[in-house]
Amino acid sequence: DARVTQTPRHKVTEMGQEVTMRCQPILGHNTVFWYRQTMMQGLELLAYFRNRAPLDDSGMPKDRFSAEMPDATLATLKIQPSEPRDSAVYFCASGLPHGLSYEQYFGPGTRLTVT
Amino acid sequence: DAKTTQPTSMDCAEGRAANLPCNHSTISGNEYVYWYRQIHSQGPQYIIHGLKNNETNEMASLIITEDRKSSTLILPHATLRDTAVYYCIVSYTGANSKLTFGKGITLSVRP
Repeated sequence: DARVTQTPRHKVTEMGQEVTMRCQPILGHNTVFWYRQTMMQGLELLAYFRNRAPLDDSGMPKDRFSAEMPDATLATLKIQPSEPRDSAVYFCASGLPHGLSYEQYFGPGTRLTVT
Repeated sequence: DAKTTQPTSMDCAEGRAANLPCNHSTISGNEYVYWYRQIHSQGPQYIIHGLKNNETNEMASLIITEDRKSSTLILPHATLRDTAVYYCIVSYTGANSKLTFGKGITLSVRP
């Protein structure tokens, strides 16, 4: 049963520290998404990649957030420096090329707490 | 992407059908209607999607009105495990492009 995996599942850090979240998309999926969920804003898209190239990162605060896909099996989301307002659950999702499927598969999320 | 509106919450009795409505009056001709759900503390899960015709799979049925301005997700025999937030989303491709989640509708299934 293929799944999107995310590490770590939970992260508590102090303000100002760097945070790196990792995602392993399902093998063969060419599109990877990063979403963030908070009580106030709900689920919102931060960035997404297709064939490892960034397509849209307009939802991401550029000064402190960065997203990369060093290879097809790994996507990373970094926050440096972290702030308390970054506390949220961060979800990674992946999808097959258009026409092969219509479903996005979501990982279990990384719950980030910045104190 | 077209915007959707859903009631804030609803409940139904276990074993009964749950009918979740969604309005998407600004949907364009080649946009699909998607439904996802999110059970507490888990990632969203795809349920079903449709373009014009009604659709059914092992999880649910999707009824789309002829003018495509609204739809209804039907869980035929709701169980306690169906308690979740259900999101109605309109998107061109879904798997390959971003999904814009609204607030969704919280479904509570009572024993």
